[in-house]
Amino acid sequence: NAGVTQTPKFRVLKTGQSMTLLCAQDMNHEYMYWYRQDPGMGLRLIHYSVGEGTTAKGEVPDGYNVSRLKKQNFLLGLESAAPSQTSVYFCASSLLAEGSYNEQFFGPGTRLTVL
Amino acid sequence: GQQLNQSPQSMFIQEGEDVSMNCTSSSIFNTWLWYKQDPGEGPVLLIALYKAGELTSNGRLTAQFGITRKDSFLNISASIPSDVGIYFCAGQKDAGNMLTFGGGTRLMVKP
Repeated sequence: NAGVTQTPKFRVLKTGQSMTLLCAQDMNHEYMYWYRQDPGMGLRLIHYSVGEGTTAKGEVPDGYNVSRLKKQNFLLGLESAAPSQTSVYFCASSLLAEGSYNEQFFGPGTRLTVL
Repeated sequence: GQQLNQSPQSMFIQEGEDVSMNCTSSSIFNTWLWYKQDPGEGPVLLIALYKAGELTSNGRLTAQFGITRKDSFLNISASIPSDVGIYFCAGQKDAGNMLTFGGGTRLMVKP
């Protein structure tokens, strides 16, 4: 049981390049999330998904797109990378929330640098 | 924007000392959570609080859900080197809603 995995672990892009970050979970969780972490800012939600085929915007969605074609995978895309997108990206997943908080399990993160 | 103010931003303490950190908000949250992030890893849930006034312990960690529902506190007793990391508070307004995270408290422990 690997939990939540992220690919790649590190990446350096030039301004204007595109890339896709892959998140996979083997816990059969309905909810998946993408966050970015910047110093002193905590984690900010980019996009999330409440189930296969559905996505929704979070707090900071601009410049990112996502897709959830399979329940276990959640992809984060950057179409034209900008230096402001230099950050550490975390994926998380949780069970369907019904009446109470369901723990979010986080992946190990992807460190992205945009030059 | 970010709604949770976490303090202090960083702490450098001696092994064996107790640690206190807190999280405040201008709005009410119905669930408060405390996460720890080890260097190079993702955050891991330490304690979840569901009721105003609730005091919950997990080993040397104790967290409290403020009575106003606008704050929460985390205490670590007798710190050890493996307590090093970033501690995040997070709040949830209603079941099913997304989490709002604080900016984190970076804890450093000197052996």
